[in-house]
Amino acid sequence: QSVLTQPPSVSGAPGQRVTISCTGSSSNIGADYDVQWYQQLPGTAPKVLIYGNNNRPSGVPDRFSGSKSGTSASLAISGVQAEDEGDYYCQSYDKSLSGPWVFGGGTKLTVL
Amino acid sequence: QVQLVQSGSELRKPGASVKVSCEASGYTFTSYSINWVRQAPGQGLEWMGWINTNTGNPTYAQGFTGRFVLSLDTSVSTAYLQISSLKPEDTAVYYCARSHFYGSRSDHYYKYDMDVWGKGTTVTVSS
Repeated sequence: QSVLTQPPSVSGAPGQRVTISCTGSSSNIGADYDVQWYQQLPGTAPKVLIYGNNNRPSGVPDRFSGSKSGTSASLAISGVQAEDEGDYYCQSYDKSLSGPWVFGGGTKLTVL
Repeated sequence: QVQLVQSGSELRKPGASVKVSCEASGYTFTSYSINWVRQAPGQGLEWMGWINTNTGNPTYAQGFTGRFVLSLDTSVSTAYLQISSLKPEDTAVYYCARSHFYGSRSDHYYKYDMDVWGKGTTVTVSS
């Protein structure tokens, strides 16, 4: 059971907007710690998509965006494409014994 | 270019041990800590721990103490994960990942992401 909770799956048709939620607690996201998002395409290593809640590393398309509020964070993909199909993980700092770094359970994105 | 190159797949019997390596290139090895992340078959990412490449001090996540040891050889810019007394449930892909500090102050101790990842090492434990 992950410290950060994500929906197991989301789906959307090409061009649609898709969001993935990440719910934490007062020991991680709610303590104002930053959230990162990682993308893992089939058969590959994870890749950082968003860092510091809403910052994109160079090379990440601007259709990916992140936000945070209270004890939750969200990843939005505006205009989802077939190549975006894969698994997405949130990650944050946790000040309890679980940490310091914790991941969400992951969300599988299916592009219909 | 900046990269982490991991050692190849391993097959071990229960009770044996394994040592996975992660060789860094393209940057100053001692400037960035190295994380280790486990991914069991069909499962999500699980942070195992990290090692400060400047001091050699490791930090382990709950559930990864005792049988798991993180170490370094800075002369060859390589981090290691050793697992002893292997169990079938240790079967997984093990990733190393570089910790990148993006904060602006010394009290931004939580402002890290994992910006460079190795391709992963598959460890299979089976009799």
